[in-house]
Amino acid sequence: ETGVTQTPRHLVMGMTNKKSLKCEQHLGHNAMYWYKQSAKKPLELMFVYNFKEQTENNSVPSRFSPECPNSSHLFLHLHTLQPEDSALYLCASSQDKGVVNEKLFFGSGTQLSVL
Amino acid sequence: AQKITQTQPGMFVQEKEAVTLDCTYDTSDPSYGLFWYKQPSSGEMIFLIYQGSYDQQNATEGRYSLNFQKARKSANLVISASQLGDSAMYFCAMKPLDTSGSARQLTFGSGTQLTVLP
Repeated sequence: ETGVTQTPRHLVMGMTNKKSLKCEQHLGHNAMYWYKQSAKKPLELMFVYNFKEQTENNSVPSRFSPECPNSSHLFLHLHTLQPEDSALYLCASSQDKGVVNEKLFFGSGTQLSVL
Repeated sequence: AQKITQTQPGMFVQEKEAVTLDCTYDTSDPSYGLFWYKQPSSGEMIFLIYQGSYDQQNATEGRYSLNFQKARKSANLVISASQLGDSAMYFCAMKPLDTSGSARQLTFGSGTQLTVLP
């Protein structure tokens, strides 16, 4: 148990559906992250929030919409996705995003399949 | 831009033996941090070990040690006395410091799948 909980663990959705991924951290951290992990590709950073403010958007398509209502919760709203968006979506948190030796704590991910 | 290269897509090791997972990186930043994470089949990424670019000694954490060769830009992970539970994907990652002293985000390699044989 890393202190970062993601729900749901698995999600199957059609291209016209709207769904949301949820992430909650119980570590008192200030920074939260969304990563995408596709098969045979390195992890790709999508979004970073620090103290509830979005500090990075890595050229992510607008069909992915993040929301961070407080430092403990992070959502990823999904709409009109494409089959190539099928991947494992990992949430992570850290105490401070600007420190070089700060390690990330990850959730177990949501395995998303877009049909 | 930073790049992390892990040239071994898969590795096998006999239980109780040591194994080295390779990682090379490319950066123009003078200061950076290097990380290794483990990802078991359950999905979560687990932090293993950290090495700072200016650290004089190689990092060690229990059975994990990092063979850091700065001139060669390599940061290989050594796992001693392998256990069946070590079977997982292993990712090397780097976080550079920019000129203002703030850390930028982690860049990950493509990973190495380690299988420990009984």
